Amino acid sequence: DQQVKQNSPSLSVQEGRISILNCDYTNSMFDYFLWYKKYPAEGPTFLISISSIKDKNEDGRFTVFLNKSAKHLSLHIVPSQPGDSAVYFCAASARGSSNTGKLIFGQGTTLQVKP
Amino acid sequence: DGGITQSPKYLFRKEGQNVTLSCEQNLNHDAMYWYRQDPGQGLRLIYYSQIVNDFQKGDIAEGYSVSREKKESFPLTVTSAQKNPTAFYLCASKEQGGLNQPQHFGDGTRLSIL
Repeated sequence: DQQVKQNSPSLSVQEGRISILNCDYTNSMFDYFLWYKKYPAEGPTFLISISSIKDKNEDGRFTVFLNKSAKHLSLHIVPSQPGDSAVYFCAASARGSSNTGKLIFGQGTTLQVKP
Repeated sequence: DGGITQSPKYLFRKEGQNVTLSCEQNLNHDAMYWYRQDPGQGLRLIYYSQIVNDFQKGDIAEGYSVSREKKESFPLTVTSAQKNPTAFYLCASKEQGGLNQPQHFGDGTRLSIL
């Protein structure tokens, strides 16, 4: 039962263009969502998060959008840079588990930004 | 320099052998977590601990054990009962209290069976 899904295993974009990574979820109890970036042989690095009371959160080149009715969130990277090439994981936390911090992760999307 | 240190980076185990993966943090975080990552899959939670001397099973705890005797340390033992131990293991920690704090990860240990 995959509660968090990233249906695109990979994405390739040109440097300077927008990268859009998508994530769908099924559990309506999820109320906190995060995006992590991961390079090979390293641990994931926290990028940006959003609470379910918001529909958008922006941090520099990174913006996360949340559509609760569609149970969908997306990460926009503008402009994309070659250093953004990595695996991106979407994660979610459910109401009641915000104190335990238990996260459910998607399968990841590999982003390649071409110079 | 605050962070999470996992050691060793690479670990090899013989069949039937228990091995222990180390995770140390100096972030003064109360909560710590162990995840497993397999190729093409997301991270799956093995065990977590919200406070010293207490820990809870995650989604895939069978064949693993943990201890939390000190705030800074949360070692994971992969026992011989774990039938498919080859994976990339990640440790994380998080501030407790407040709302919605992200987890921070170490750089992982890759375990392989000889």
